[in-house]
Amino acid sequence: DADVTQTPRNRITKTGKRIMLECSQTKGHDRMYWYRQDPGLGLRLIYYSFDVKDINKGEISDGYSVSRQAQAKFSLSLESAIPNQTALYFCATSDLGTSGRTDEQFFGPGTRLTVL
Amino acid sequence: QKEVEQDPGPLSVPEGAIVSLNCTYSNSAFQYFMWYRQYSRKGPELLMYTYSSGNKEDGRFTAQVDKSSKYISLFIRDSQPSDSATYLCAMSFSGGYNKLIFGAGTRLAVHP
Repeated sequence: DADVTQTPRNRITKTGKRIMLECSQTKGHDRMYWYRQDPGLGLRLIYYSFDVKDINKGEISDGYSVSRQAQAKFSLSLESAIPNQTALYFCATSDLGTSGRTDEQFFGPGTRLTVL
Repeated sequence: QKEVEQDPGPLSVPEGAIVSLNCTYSNSAFQYFMWYRQYSRKGPELLMYTYSSGNKEDGRFTAQVDKSSKYISLFIRDSQPSDSATYLCAMSFSGGYNKLIFGAGTRLAVHP
């Protein structure tokens, strides 16, 4: 079974609808992340969480919100979807490595979201 | 100017070729340099990791960091069709948690 799972894998919705993307992990990691990927722009960080009580905005958080329901679950919501939120969305997890080393992040398979 | 620049390709090579993938960056404070590989319809996975300058080799893959030129490279020797994927460079600063800054990714196709 995959260590990081995302649901749904594909979603088509209409402008103005509320959408929730879910992420679950069995790696036992404390840190979880949401990214979006757009052609030519790479991966951009939306939100990240170091534990259940710690939520932080990334570089492109406007129009998004998150909920960390448990150590293993991190959800991303689009309160009122708009067409320029059409993208691939990835959840990732990490754990603190050896002292001084940055985290290796483990990515889920992605959700392809289309907003019409 | 983006902090990390990466030619999106696509790059098409014959099987067995040596592939060179590159990224340039503008912030000299980056200390950690990574290459992620992303197959179609999959999430990225860490391929190579380098701290500061120098080379690192792992099988057919070699990662190089030239901090004086703010330039990193990934070389793939004896490329295989299974190497066909998008390769993303990523960088971060030193100490504690620092977010990863990704390049746009280079799409590579290795044809038999």
